[in-house]
Amino acid sequence: EVQLVESGGGLVQPGGSLRLSCAASGFTVSSNYMNWVRQAPGKGLEWVSVIYSGGNTFYADSVKGRFTISRDKSTNTLFLQMNSLRAEDTAVYYCARQVGGSYTDYWGQGTLVTVSS
Amino acid sequence: EIVMTQSPATLSVSPGERATLSCRASQSATSNLAWYQQKPGQAPRLLIYGASTRATGIPARFSGSGSGTEFTLTISSLQSEDFAVYYCQQYNNWWTFGQGTKVEIK
Repeated sequence: EVQLVESGGGLVQPGGSLRLSCAASGFTVSSNYMNWVRQAPGKGLEWVSVIYSGGNTFYADSVKGRFTISRDKSTNTLFLQMNSLRAEDTAVYYCARQVGGSYTDYWGQGTLVTVSS
Repeated sequence: EIVMTQSPATLSVSPGERATLSCRASQSATSNLAWYQQKPGQAPRLLIYGASTRATGIPARFSGSGSGTEFTLTISSLQSEDFAVYYCQQYNNWWTFGQGTKVEIK
């Protein structure tokens, strides 16, 4: 059974950093396209970043230069390192498995990041 | 960037009635369009991909249609568990999502 479990969210001050984790089971993270998608409180879904099976990474303009996506084969885990956080980064962050270069078929339950002083 | 626009923002429907949700793309998404359902406090769930293919385990009352710039999600007879927010997503050129349509009980 495919499962994705995020962790690492919390309250952080503007300018601070957080590292989100997404532990996967039932499939191999490094063999798939893996994404981070966020949802601000009461708002819609916003794509954040993707890492391809080959290792290429891409980012939304809103986070480029501040966020870094990565993965660890030994623990089958996806990460999102978030630096220079801003109030507008406040959201629930979901990891999601992408089917090839298309849609997503599995989502984690999300982890809440709150950026506030 | 392909901008996705969903309408209406809120749809009030009685149980057992038909619901029709629309999604428009600012440029062609061909058939690379997915629909997701999200309930409060839950992650989105894939309903439809390829504009019209139901995902595994999705009831036949959900159907998708369209191509290019105009897409529709139809729920033929609303059940209590169908009241939720629905998002369309194009994956023809990266990913962008619509702003969502909330289906509420009339």
